Amino acid sequence: DQQVKQNSPSLSVQEGRISILNCDYTNSMFDYFLWYKKYPAEGPTFLISISSIKDKNEDGRFTVFLNKSAKHLSLHIVPSQPGDSAVYFCAALRSYGGSQGNLIFGKGTKLSVKP
Amino acid sequence: DSGVTQTPKHLITATGQRVTLRCSPRSGDLSVYWYQQSLDQGLQFLIHYYNGEERAKGNILERFSAQQFPDLHSELNLSSLELGDSALYFCASSVGTNHDTQYFGPGTRLTVL
Repeated sequence: DQQVKQNSPSLSVQEGRISILNCDYTNSMFDYFLWYKKYPAEGPTFLISISSIKDKNEDGRFTVFLNKSAKHLSLHIVPSQPGDSAVYFCAALRSYGGSQGNLIFGKGTKLSVKP
Repeated sequence: DSGVTQTPKHLITATGQRVTLRCSPRSGDLSVYWYQQSLDQGLQFLIHYYNGEERAKGNILERFSAQQFPDLHSELNLSSLELGDSALYFCASSVGTNHDTQYFGPGTRLTVL
């Protein structure tokens, strides 16, 4: 049973436009959410995170929104650049209990930003 | 460069064999996590060590084991290998536990023939 779902395997966006990547989760015990970016032949790189006590976190061109009632989060990239082309993974964790800190990943969304 | 190193980069072996993957965490990080990325399953958590002690197990097969040594490097041992074990194996490290940012190594690509 997938606890973190990224339903869009791919997304194509024009340079300069907004990219919106979506993620849904089922486990209400998750209290921290992260986005990682992955280029081919490299490990995932941390991008941005959000605690469940917030509904928005912004870092430069990247903003993550969390809707707890809908168990949904999204990553907005504005403006999108060709260098943003990568696979984006949504991840969630519980910061307490026996499984604290263990990241549960979605299957990723491949973003292509076209010049 | 995340500061996490993994060796080897690539490993090709036969079914039934045993291999060891090595991970050196970032300087100062006490936690080491192992993840497996296969084509159909995505990134899956395997096991977590903190300062030499096992903290949590995820979807790790009994044929797999890991340990973290006093110098904090970690090894993942995979035995009685099967074709389905072919995957990318990532190690990540963080300062502590909870939601400290995890920094990932470049991965070891294991191919079982």
